Amino acid sequence: QKEVEQNSGPLSVPEGAIASLNCTYSDRGSQSFFWYRQYSGKSPELIMFIYSNGDKEDGRFTAQLNKASQYVSLLIRDSQPSDSATYLCAVTSAAGNKLTFGGGTRVLVKP
Amino acid sequence: KAGVTQTPRYLIKTRGQQVTLSCSPISGHRSVSWYQQTPGQGLQFLFEYFSETQRNKGNFPGRFSGRQFSNSRSEMNVSTLELGDSALYLCASSPGLPHTGELFFGEGSRLTVL
Repeated sequence: QKEVEQNSGPLSVPEGAIASLNCTYSDRGSQSFFWYRQYSGKSPELIMFIYSNGDKEDGRFTAQLNKASQYVSLLIRDSQPSDSATYLCAVTSAAGNKLTFGGGTRVLVKP
Repeated sequence: KAGVTQTPRYLIKTRGQQVTLSCSPISGHRSVSWYQQTPGQGLQFLFEYFSETQRNKGNFPGRFSGRQFSNSRSEMNVSTLELGDSALYLCASSPGLPHTGELFFGEGSRLTVL
């Protein structure tokens, strides 16, 4: 079992719809969770982080964390073609000394 | 504020050669980490440095090494290159320890091994 798992996609979403991305992790004690966006040919950039169970909203992005079920999700509301990218989930270890990335989910927003 | 700078951006080497990649972090950042990114394996952690000390190392062979200088600039070296070393090598700096998750990535050095 991979430490951090994501569906590779592509996740095809019509413009204006909600894109829902999921990430599961194996380390039950993980404390910090991050979402990075990577455009094709570019480097990853941090877009969201969440530490506590529940929802965290930032503009059109909402991160959701459920530690009991060991998953974290990212919702993109009112999806735009400019949201087309690969989204990487990253999780810190319970010991706090390691950051592990998932394989990423490719999102395609179609006009 | 300047971002993370990586040099060279592109390079081509042949099997058996060695390569050195350089990374200058964002001013004031003392932490640097290195990742290898390939289509098949995704983003794989190589090393993490803080104040010239290697704090963590990923599961890569000893051919991969790195160091950090007193000005926080970092280099990584790959010796005896293999075809499978062809990848995008990303450097990231962090205001705190890299494994805390807030990373600022450079544009990467794309290595092709022939």
